[in-house]
Amino acid sequence: QKEVEQDPGPLSVPEGAIVSLNCTYSNSAFQYFMWYRQYSRKGPELLMYTYSSGNKEDGRFTAQVDKSSKYISLFIRDSQPSDSATYLCAMSDTGGGADGLTFGKGTHLIIQP
Amino acid sequence: GAVVSQHPSWVICKSGTSVKIECRSLDFQATTMFWYRQFPKQSLMLMATSNEGSKATYEQGVEKDKFLINHASLTLSTLTVTSAHPEDSSFYICSARDTVSYNEQFFGPGTRLTVL
Repeated sequence: QKEVEQDPGPLSVPEGAIVSLNCTYSNSAFQYFMWYRQYSRKGPELLMYTYSSGNKEDGRFTAQVDKSSKYISLFIRDSQPSDSATYLCAMSDTGGGADGLTFGKGTHLIIQP
Repeated sequence: GAVVSQHPSWVICKSGTSVKIECRSLDFQATTMFWYRQFPKQSLMLMATSNEGSKATYEQGVEKDKFLINHASLTLSTLTVTSAHPEDSSFYICSARDTVSYNEQFFGPGTRLTVL
């Protein structure tokens, strides 16, 4: 069983829809959870950073962490064509900057105009 | 914001040759840099962690004699793929940890290596 599972998609939704992206993990030591956005042939860009369980909101993006279920989610409201990219979840058992991160495969998201 | 650059952005080389990839933090100092590898449709996989002025720490299964890492300054780390083979063809991405914002890693744009 891989440490982090993420559906690679593609996930295609119409513009304006609410998008839900998810990851599950097996390592109960993970405490720091991140979502990155990656455009084709570019490096990942940090979108959201959360510690332990709970919700965090930033503009149109909401990150949720449920450590009891080992399940994290990213919601995108009022999705735009410019949101089309690959979204990677990443995790760490220490502060996200202190150690290397464990990534999911990424979900390829397509927002249709 | 913090910017990390990589050079070259892409490289094609013959089997058996060595290739050096540079990772630079342009507007901040990075005591720690990380090197990842990403195969098509796969996750970014951590290869090694490099700390300025000390030897790199390699993940299990990564050959330290094949992937040479040097982190000689707070703004530059290099990855040298020695005696490259076609199976080394991949997307190599570095990240850097800001000494101030410890909780975030800033990623470079990546280097696509193709070994013929």
